[in-house]
Amino acid sequence: GAGVSQSPSNKVTEKGKDVELRCDPISGHTALYWYRQSLGQGLEFLIYFQGNSAPDKSGLPSDRFSAERTGGSVSTLTIQRTQQEDSAVYLCASSLDPAYGYTFGSGTRLTVV
Amino acid sequence: TQLLEQSPQFLSIQEGENLTVYCNSSSVFSSLQWYRQEPGEGPVLLVTVVTGGEVKKLKRLTFQFGDARKDSSLHITAAQPGDTGLYLCAEKSEFYFGTGTSLTVIP
Repeated sequence: GAGVSQSPSNKVTEKGKDVELRCDPISGHTALYWYRQSLGQGLEFLIYFQGNSAPDKSGLPSDRFSAERTGGSVSTLTIQRTQQEDSAVYLCASSLDPAYGYTFGSGTRLTVV
Repeated sequence: TQLLEQSPQFLSIQEGENLTVYCNSSSVFSSLQWYRQEPGEGPVLLVTVVTGGEVKKLKRLTFQFGDARKDSSLHITAAQPGDTGLYLCAEKSEFYFGTGTSLTVIP
């Protein structure tokens, strides 16, 4: 596609429920990144994919968080047993080469009530 | 892990004023990128600086990379309301972003 697409754009869920967030990167971009952003704050790195493999999972905050990427394209970030502190905007970015920067989606705003 | 500290954290100025924001690292950058994020959107790349001492201009924005490649600054001349947003620096290949400067330009 022309840009990075994320869905849903907004998600309200009850505490304890599982959620899945989807990212569709720019076609041909081999690298894909997930970040979390709390209100008015900077970006917290979560995970990085190169193709379908995730060489760096160091940013995942707990074992309730997992991510996968299939076919070198779409990625899903799953949060199990959501907690109120998981409320944030989850941003996805893709890149052909970091030298050219990252292209971000508009994010998924997750609210856990 | 490289720590990227940005200052100030918040800045509110009147239209027409000049401003400078800073990005400092605990170690040497290989290269550094500046992004701007508008409300409800993802960050958008503004510039990449590579060489120590490098200066790049983008209309009213001037980006400078420190000689030692451990710091960078972004200067905006005659700020406009359209400059409002969160300004983020990032080391090119480390995935990590700075803490951000939230700029508000008041008409």
